[in-house]
Amino acid sequence: TQLLEQSPQFLSIQEGENLTVYCNSSSVFSSLQWYRQEPGEGPVLLVTVVTGGEVKKLKRLTFQFGDARKDSSLHITAAQPGDTGLYLCAGEGGRSNYQLIWGAGTKLIIKP
Amino acid sequence: EPEVTQTPSHQVTQMGQEVILRCVPISNHLYFYWYRQILGQKVEFLVSFYNNEISEKSEIFDDQFSVERPDGSNFTLKIRSTKLEDSAMYFCASSRGTGGAFFGQGTRLTVV
Repeated sequence: TQLLEQSPQFLSIQEGENLTVYCNSSSVFSSLQWYRQEPGEGPVLLVTVVTGGEVKKLKRLTFQFGDARKDSSLHITAAQPGDTGLYLCAGEGGRSNYQLIWGAGTKLIIKP
Repeated sequence: EPEVTQTPSHQVTQMGQEVILRCVPISNHLYFYWYRQILGQKVEFLVSFYNNEISEKSEIFDDQFSVERPDGSNFTLKIRSTKLEDSAMYFCASSRGTGGAFFGQGTRLTVV
């Protein structure tokens, strides 16, 4: 069974602090995606990383794909209350070409 | 910006009744998906659809479920005889292929 494990499950920090969220697997994926989900809404795609070792930046968010394409991290610099949400990683192209394998998510709360 | 739209946003149905959840994917996308998320739990893959046929389905997608793309625009999920445990948020998603899927806002299905 392919699994993606996210850590931490829950993180509550003050505005202005930095944080890193991790997504780990024993399986290799052809790409890994990060989504953000607000309560009662659908996941919104933030980024897709494809190449081992790839780093992508989206304003204060930095995404990294591990060299072996089994893990990824999301780093947020100077977190803001607007960053509050559930962050999900999803792997593509493992056992299946069509099915995304989802992590359980990291619930992030940024306190003003 | 193009988006995936889902209707209705909320559906309440009695156990044993049939429901049809509707989705309009992004127009130039080729792959279509249904996912569900039970409250507080992981996003779960149901089915993927490509070239007018199911490309993959999960164990959840049993004989009670079916999908259709009747007119080249809409993509529907039918649950023939709903059970209490079918209560969940159902998300439609579409993609061009690899590189990330775009999700609709979801339909909250409540089976009573």
